[in-house]
Amino acid sequence: KAGVTQTPRYLIKTRGQQVTLSCSPISGHRSVSWYQQTPGQGLQFLFEYFSETQRNKGNFPGRFSGRQFSNSRSEMNVSTLELGDSALYLCASSHRGTGGMNTEAFFGQGTRLTVV
Amino acid sequence: AQRVTQPEKLLSVFKGAPVELKCNYSYSGSPELFWYVQYSRQRLQLLLRHISRESIKGFTADLNKGETSFHLKKPFAQEEDSAMYYCALSGSGNEKLTFGTGTRLTIIP
Repeated sequence: KAGVTQTPRYLIKTRGQQVTLSCSPISGHRSVSWYQQTPGQGLQFLFEYFSETQRNKGNFPGRFSGRQFSNSRSEMNVSTLELGDSALYLCASSHRGTGGMNTEAFFGQGTRLTVV
Repeated sequence: AQRVTQPEKLLSVFKGAPVELKCNYSYSGSPELFWYVQYSRQRLQLLLRHISRESIKGFTADLNKGETSFHLKKPFAQEEDSAMYYCALSGSGNEKLTFGTGTRLTIIP
């Protein structure tokens, strides 16, 4: 079965621009989470979507937003890019279990965003 | 607030020697603990989780609620164990993962 697919793999943007990253989850997975990975801060949770609704949000400014479509594909958008937004953005999908138990999160390869 | 601490950024171990990667957590409630691994040029993947109590690739981890720890252990290191290891925590029913800063494990032949 196909894994989590993120596009594009690499992006270079200029300060002040905006960017949209895409994530296609594993078929049947309805939960999609986004993470930012940087050498200084490590892996930090951005937000999680389930059935087109944002269920969880991390401590990031409002410039970071996302959405999920009816086919569970998700996009995240960053507006007014800053140099500090340069990072690897990872998407993870999971088949949310019942009874409160979390299931395995499957990660994509990531999108490497460079802001110049 | 939930927090995961991995005190060692780098760890080098000789092949055949025991390995222990430390992880301590802070969480008010019943957490779910995971170890994720990232091999060179591969994506982040789940190694094991405390609920399943499995041994994967010879690795085990026991949740110690008294010491709030979830250390990863393997009795005999192999060269293919060289990778970046992340300890992670989530609240029950919550998909948000809080990661530690990771430990880069290098196995010396």
